[in-house]
Amino acid sequence: GQSLEQPSEVTAVEGAIVQINCTYQTSGFYGLSWYQQHDGGAPTFLSYNALDGLEETGRFSSFLSRSDSYGYLLLQELQMKDSASYFCAVGTGANNLFFGTGTRLTVIP
Amino acid sequence: EAGVTQSPTHLIKTRGQQATLRCSPISGHTSVYWYQQALGLGLQFLLWYDEGEERNRGNFPPRFSGRQFPNYSSELNVNALELEDSALYLCASSLGRGTDTQYFGPGTRLTVL
Repeated sequence: GQSLEQPSEVTAVEGAIVQINCTYQTSGFYGLSWYQQHDGGAPTFLSYNALDGLEETGRFSSFLSRSDSYGYLLLQELQMKDSASYFCAVGTGANNLFFGTGTRLTVIP
Repeated sequence: EAGVTQSPTHLIKTRGQQATLRCSPISGHTSVYWYQQALGLGLQFLLWYDEGEERNRGNFPPRFSGRQFPNYSSELNVNALELEDSALYLCASSLGRGTDTQYFGPGTRLTVL
């Protein structure tokens, strides 16, 4: 079967750095994506890793290790508006995204 | 550029009825995906349409069906509604190569009473 594991909740202080981990077990793998979803809103694309290594986009970075079936999303200089749910998603050979259950990030002052 | 649009925003039905949800993809996108997100849960893949054909289907009963029109817009139909069908239904579109980034619409909140 297919599975994605990520922590259900994370709390961090404004201005700090937080890392959200994602481990996966899927029948096919084309890449790891990260999406952000604010309460009541639609998921929005943050980043995509097809190859091992770190991808940086502003305050957000995403890392992938295909050999370890592991990735993470790193958020720096946390802001209150970063409070949201973050989903990792694996692109599989079935040509769709398989989503994790999401990590709810709460940023506190 | 307009994003993915969905209608209606909210839909209230009673058990046993049918619901029809609509989605218009971003211009130029040929793939449309449907997801179900129950309250507090992750996104469960429902259906993928590309170039008018159903390409893949998630682990949902046959009463969940849909279609894609020549203009690439899509419709999701849920027959014989059950209480547990209450959820946010999200539509996403992509350029159609399957593993491209998916762009989501605002969703339709379906409530089954």
